[in-house]
Amino acid sequence: DGGITQSPKYLFRKEGQNVTLSCEQNLNHDAMYWYRQDPGQGLRLIYYSQIVNDFQKGDIAEGYSVSREKKESFPLTVTSAQKNPTAFYLCASSISGGFLAEQFFGPGTRLTVL
Amino acid sequence: AQKITQTQPGMFVQEKEAVTLDCTYDTSDQSYGLFWYKQPSSGEMIFLIYQGSYDEQNATEGRYSLNFQKARKSANLVISASQLGDSAMYFCAMREPTGANSKLTFGKGITLSVRP
Repeated sequence: DGGITQSPKYLFRKEGQNVTLSCEQNLNHDAMYWYRQDPGQGLRLIYYSQIVNDFQKGDIAEGYSVSREKKESFPLTVTSAQKNPTAFYLCASSISGGFLAEQFFGPGTRLTVL
Repeated sequence: AQKITQTQPGMFVQEKEAVTLDCTYDTSDQSYGLFWYKQPSSGEMIFLIYQGSYDEQNATEGRYSLNFQKARKSANLVISASQLGDSAMYFCAMREPTGANSKLTFGKGITLSVRP
């Protein structure tokens, strides 16, 4: 079955630690995205990538980093510089970066900083 | 200014009745796409329906239809024959062609509760 997987589902981190969230897709999509969702809020774009080895900052990129070494994978690192990292993180992909392309979402990772 | 506005904080509907979820948007582009997503308590975002700015007919997808009024910049989602499984958060989103790359901008969402 084609789809997007994110792991882990729940993640706990101590303050000051970096943590990496995994996102893998087998849909052969070119574009991938990372969003952050806070309680009672919509999604905000952190980073996106249109092709391998290229990515751009979204609206709230500070304190986050990404890589896109393979088409299928777009891991997100939450660094210690992110002031308030506790949130729900969603990864998405679309067949292209065009504005008509529907985005498909993974199941999400809930990150809690202790 | 907000790009996507969803002002209804929470909606209730009786099972088997229809319900309309409101969405207004703001853009100066002539070409754009409007999307509705459903987010159940499990957290995943489920795509429901899409409307392109140049589509002359309102989009429909099973029990979902989009009441698109371009001049008023509104894209309301209509769910017919509500089911208990429709209880979830619903997000309206817009995609504009900002140069070579385009991003999806989401509203804050509406909570829908279906009563038996």
